[in-house]
Amino acid sequence: DVKVTQSSRYLVKRTGEKVFLECVQDMDHENMFWYRQDPGLGLRLIYFSYDVKMKEKGDIPEGYSVSREKKERFSLILESASTNQTSMYLCASGLGRNSPLHFGNGTRLTVT
Amino acid sequence: QQPVQSPQAVILREGEDAVINCSSSKALYSVHWYRQKHGEAPVFLMILLKGGEQMRHEKISASFNEKKQQSSLYLTASQLSYSGTYFCGTPPTGGFKTIFGAGTRLFVKA
Repeated sequence: DVKVTQSSRYLVKRTGEKVFLECVQDMDHENMFWYRQDPGLGLRLIYFSYDVKMKEKGDIPEGYSVSREKKERFSLILESASTNQTSMYLCASGLGRNSPLHFGNGTRLTVT
Repeated sequence: QQPVQSPQAVILREGEDAVINCSSSKALYSVHWYRQKHGEAPVFLMILLKGGEQMRHEKISASFNEKKQQSSLYLTASQLSYSGTYFCGTPPTGGFKTIFGAGTRLFVKA
């Protein structure tokens, strides 16, 4: 079974802090994604990566950056956390365009 | 452009049928369907490809109308385990990223 592991299930940070969300997948997938999930808005794509050191902006990249130094690891960085970034963050990985995405269990981030 | 799902929510009694629709303003290459149970990660159900067959996952089936740029998910004889939020996802033609709709919350009661 494909496993996508997110480092924290719950995280509480203060406004202005730098926040790192880590994601690791064990199936050698080329593509990795970061989504945020908010009630009524569904899953919105923040960033994705189709190869090591390659990244592309999704629909809501403002306030976020990403890092992919190794194929199995994709990190989401909040340079200066703000309260409107309080959300559930979901990492996913997949092989290609017609392949299913495999999601991690999510990190619920609260910024106070 | 986020695909539009309807209805936003539906409540069923066990054994009843339901249809969830997903439509896009852009041409679709494929449509993905996922289900997320409360407190869990979204789980893949099926992918429908342009020109492909209708797909099934247990008693859940789906169709894809390329001309109308829409897909429908059919839940037949619903079970309690079908409760959750259903998302459709649409990768842009030639692209890798999957854009999801806002989701349809389905609640099946005994």
